[in-house]
Amino acid sequence: DGGITQSPKYLFRKEGQNVTLSCEQNLNHDAMYWYRQDPGQGLRLIYYSQIVNDFQKGDIAEGYSVSREKKESFPLTVTSAQKNPTAFYLCASSEQVGNQPQHFGDGTRLSIL
Amino acid sequence: SQQGEEDPQALSIQEGENATMNCSYKTSINNLQWYRQNSGRGLVHLILIRSNEREKHSGRLRVTLDTSKKSSSLLITASRAADTASYFCAVSGNTPLVFGKGTRLSVIA
Repeated sequence: DGGITQSPKYLFRKEGQNVTLSCEQNLNHDAMYWYRQDPGQGLRLIYYSQIVNDFQKGDIAEGYSVSREKKESFPLTVTSAQKNPTAFYLCASSEQVGNQPQHFGDGTRLSIL
Repeated sequence: SQQGEEDPQALSIQEGENATMNCSYKTSINNLQWYRQNSGRGLVHLILIRSNEREKHSGRLRVTLDTSKKSSSLLITASRAADTASYFCAVSGNTPLVFGKGTRLSVIA
């Protein structure tokens, strides 16, 4: 089955530590996205990528970094500069950026130790 | 901001009743999409309505779009306990989709 796989499901970060969240898709989609969701809130866009080797900042990119070396992979690094990283992180993909429906993974819940 | 805003924030109904959720937005759009999120899971795309469409159906879902009022509604008919989830609208313009904060629907058996 085609879909998006996020790992790990749960992740804990220590002070001063960088952590990387994995996102892999086998839908052959060009566009991929990272969102942050806080309790009871909507989704806020962190970064998105329209094509391999290209990515753009979203609304809340500070303290995060991404790479897009392969079409199927879009890892997100939460750096130590992100002072409030505790949240639910969702990865999504679509055929192109803009109008198409997005397909989502099942998220990674990040907590601070 | 292009962000859609859902109303109400929370809705509780009995099984078998209809549930209506509304979404308002501020700018012109290409299309509007509705998504569902079960607790602790990712979002699932439900339905897309284009700016030149007024109504669309999918199973027990009915979506309307009024571009003059910049609003949309999602109607779930004959609700079931399994419909309990958060529902989000997302508006599409010239940028990535912008999601609202969602409506939390509880369907009580």
